[in-house]
Amino acid sequence: QQQVKQSPQSLIVQKGGISIINCAYENTAFDYFPWYQQFPGKGPALLIAIRPDVSEKKEGRFTISFNKSAKQFSLHIMDSQPGDSATYFCAAVSGAGSYQLTFGKGTKLSVIP
Amino acid sequence: EAQVTQNPRYLITVTGKKLTVTCSQNMNHEYMSWYRQDPGLGLRQIYYSMNVEVTDKGDVPEGYKVSRKEKRNFPLILESPSPNQTSLYFCASSSEGLDTEAFFGQGTRLTVV
Repeated sequence: QQQVKQSPQSLIVQKGGISIINCAYENTAFDYFPWYQQFPGKGPALLIAIRPDVSEKKEGRFTISFNKSAKQFSLHIMDSQPGDSATYFCAAVSGAGSYQLTFGKGTKLSVIP
Repeated sequence: EAQVTQNPRYLITVTGKKLTVTCSQNMNHEYMSWYRQDPGLGLRQIYYSMNVEVTDKGDVPEGYKVSRKEKRNFPLILESPSPNQTSLYFCASSSEGLDTEAFFGQGTRLTVV
C-alpha cells in the first residue's frame, strides 16, 4: 500500500516558469513532511520541510503548501531554472519517536531554456 | 566534512555469490537505514537501525540482512543475490528527533547477472 502518492511522474517546464509537484497521504499519524532533491549520480538531499501546523513555508524560490484537511501538500518552484532539473521526492514521517521516511515515487523535473 | 560513505559505488556480481555493501557515517547519528531505488518505484526502505544492536525490517527486507555492531557502520548483506536485487542502493543516517534531516550516501549501483 502506497502511503504517499506523488504526481506527476515527470514534468517539463520552461525556464522562468512555475513547477508544481503534488503529494497526498492517508496516514494521519504523519506529522513531518520533507522534500528531497536528487541530481543524477547523487543521493537525495533535503530541500525543504514543513510541519502540519503551518499552511505554507517558503525558502527562496521553493514553497511548500500544506492542506491538512485534504491530506495534501505540494512543492512550488518559482522562476524555475535549468539547474533545478532533478528528481524530487516528497516524504512523510510519523511522530512518536519514529525516524522512518515514507517516500513518494518521485517526479523527474526538466527545466528547458 | 559530514558525510555518509558507501562502498563500492558500482558492483557487478553473479547470482548466489554473497556480497556486502558497506556504509559509514561520521556524524555520530543514532539512526541509519538502507533504501533501494528502482525506476517508477521511488525509494523503498529495506532495513533500519535506531541504534547499536537495534535493527528492524523496512518495507522490502526479503533477501537482505544488516548488522549494527558500531554506531558509525551499517553494512548491507546479500547472502544469495538474485537478478531482482539489481538496483541502486542508498544508505542514510540521521540524528534523533522528528524533524531531522536524513543524510544520504552517494549510492551503490548493483547488477546481479
